[in-house]
This record gives sequence, C-alpha cells and structure tokens, in this order.
Amino acid sequence: NAGVTQTPKFQVLKTGQSMTLQCAQDMNHEYMSWYRQDPGMGLRLIHYSVGAGITDQGEVPNGYNVSRSTTEDFPLRLLSAAPSQTSVYFCASSYPDSHEQFFGPGTRLTVL
Amino acid sequence: QQQVKQSPQSLIVQKGGISIINCAYENTAFDYFPWYQQFPGKGPALLIAIRPDVSEKKEGRFTISFNKSAKQFSLHIMDSQPGDSATYFCAAGRTSGTYKYIFGTGTRLKVLA
Repeated sequence: NAGVTQTPKFQVLKTGQSMTLQCAQDMNHEYMSWYRQDPGMGLRLIHYSVGAGITDQGEVPNGYNVSRSTTEDFPLRLLSAAPSQTSVYFCASSYPDSHEQFFGPGTRLTVL
Repeated sequence: QQQVKQSPQSLIVQKGGISIINCAYENTAFDYFPWYQQFPGKGPALLIAIRPDVSEKKEGRFTISFNKSAKQFSLHIMDSQPGDSATYFCAAGRTSGTYKYIFGTGTRLKVLA
C-alpha cells in the first residue's frame, strides 16, 4: 500500500507557465482534496472531489483546475503560474464515512 | 464564520512538561474537530479527533478538551518528549453536507531534551 503519492516533490516554474501536479491513492478512497500550505496561514482547501466525475471549489480555487476521471487520480493544474502560487501543495484522501484525511508528502512549488 | 483561530504560533516546552495548544471556532454547525501532527518535510497526519457530544478525549499522552459553549478546544500533550517536536494543526468541519475542513494556522512545538 503506497498510500497517497504526489509528484513531483519539487518544481520551479516561470511566471505564465502551466503545469500539472499529480496525486494518486491506492486505498480506494472516494474523497480527495488539494490544499496549499503557506507560512502563518495553515492549510487552505483549493479543490475537492467526492467521487469520480465530481469536483467542487474550496477556499482558494482561483488559478487552479482539477478533474477526477478515476477514483485513484486527482491532478491539480496551474493554468498560468504566478508568484503568489509559490507554496507547498498537499493532496489528501479519505473514505466518505471516515473523516480521517490521509495526506501525501507534498510538492514544493516555486514560481519565479 | 468560517475561521479557526489557533494559538500560540510557537511553543517551547521542557522534556516532561505539558504542551497546551488552543483553538477557537465560530461556526456552530461544525461537529468534528481533529488535530493533525506534521513533521518537517512530511504531510500532516491525524493525531486525535473529537465530536461535540463529549468534553474530553484521551489517547495515550494526547488529550483534547472541548468547550462547546465557548466554542473552544485544546490539545494537551502530557509528559512532552523531544519526538513530539512538530507542527500541530487544529481543524473544524461538518460530518454531513459539504466535505470541507477549516484548518488553524498551526503551532510549531519544540520540546527541549
């Protein structure tokens, strides 16, 4: 059981570039979420999904897109990277009847 | 209405001492209050959680105290150890309806040997 995996671990982008952060889980969890972690601001929810084909916005969705075509994968797309998107990004998953979220190891993104 | 306020921002405790971290929430619809522990370079992991039908929950050296009327909850770490040095996040959410949790801003705990 690999749990929640995220790739890449580190990424540097230039302003305006686009990229996709990958997230996969092998626990058959229906719920998946993306958070960003910034110093002094805790974890803020970007987007979440309650199952394949269903996504919704969190607190800070602007500049990010998601899709959920399978139960296992939940990629996060940055459409046109901005320095304000420099952050550590965490993916999490859980069963619908359990509120324990399992977090991945994170992706540290720097936008120059 | 959606904020969760966490304090202190950082905490230094001697080995064997008690670490106390406090959180306050605003939304009375919240009915699930977890604490997550995060070590450097790792993702957060669930430590302990409580629902508002009890005022206290204990798991080993970790205890959550919950005050529904004051809309506050706290994490107590008894007999703190250097291995407890980490960042701790409280969170609040609802067990029904939308699947959204609001996290506190985190407390960086350092336990001195």
